[in-house]
Amino acid sequence: QQQVKQSPQSLIVQKGGISIINCAYENTAFDYFPWYQQFPGKGPALLIAIRPDVSEKKEGRFTISFNKSAKQFSLHIMDSQPGDSATYFCAASISWNYGQNFVFGPGTRLSVLP
Amino acid sequence: DTAVSQTPKYLVTQMGNDKSIKCEQNLGHDTMYWYKQDSKKFLKIMFSYNNKELIINETVPNRFSPKSPDKAHLNLHINSLELGDSAVYFCASSHETLRRVQYFGPGTRLTVT
Repeated sequence: QQQVKQSPQSLIVQKGGISIINCAYENTAFDYFPWYQQFPGKGPALLIAIRPDVSEKKEGRFTISFNKSAKQFSLHIMDSQPGDSATYFCAASISWNYGQNFVFGPGTRLSVLP
Repeated sequence: DTAVSQTPKYLVTQMGNDKSIKCEQNLGHDTMYWYKQDSKKFLKIMFSYNNKELIINETVPNRFSPKSPDKAHLNLHINSLELGDSAVYFCASSHETLRRVQYFGPGTRLTVT
């Protein structure tokens, strides 16, 4: 129940195209759903996040769509650029007294071709 | 002005050795974390630590232990290293009042031979 599933494992998109990554979870106690971006040799960095009481959140070219009843959420990258090439992790988290414990999906390696 | 730093960046050691990875954050955060990323890039929480509470992922062997000399540091000690411990270890931190935003360090690649 603590698992977060993510697909696809890898994705190749042409420059200017739309990249879509999907995630699903089981535990309804999760209360926060971030997406992290990781470049080779670097630590993950927060990209965008959503709470379960919101169905969509947009920041620039990045949009999260959230379907609470289906327990699914997705990341859309519009006008994908070669600089977006990275590994993307969805996550779900549960609050504890002083922090937030993340359960990460297995990651999607995105390659944007010039 | 690095936010979350880790040392060393690379660590190569033999089975059976004891090693430590250091983590420091200068963000004024009060909660810190250790994550393990395996060869398939799977990222998993190991410890969550605040000076008031420690949460240990039940799957982490007791050969691993976090030690915090002060609020800005959370070091990871590993005893009797095994081949399966080879991975990239990430430290992260968050503020107690903005706990949903975690800042990750650059990672330490541990190779056990």
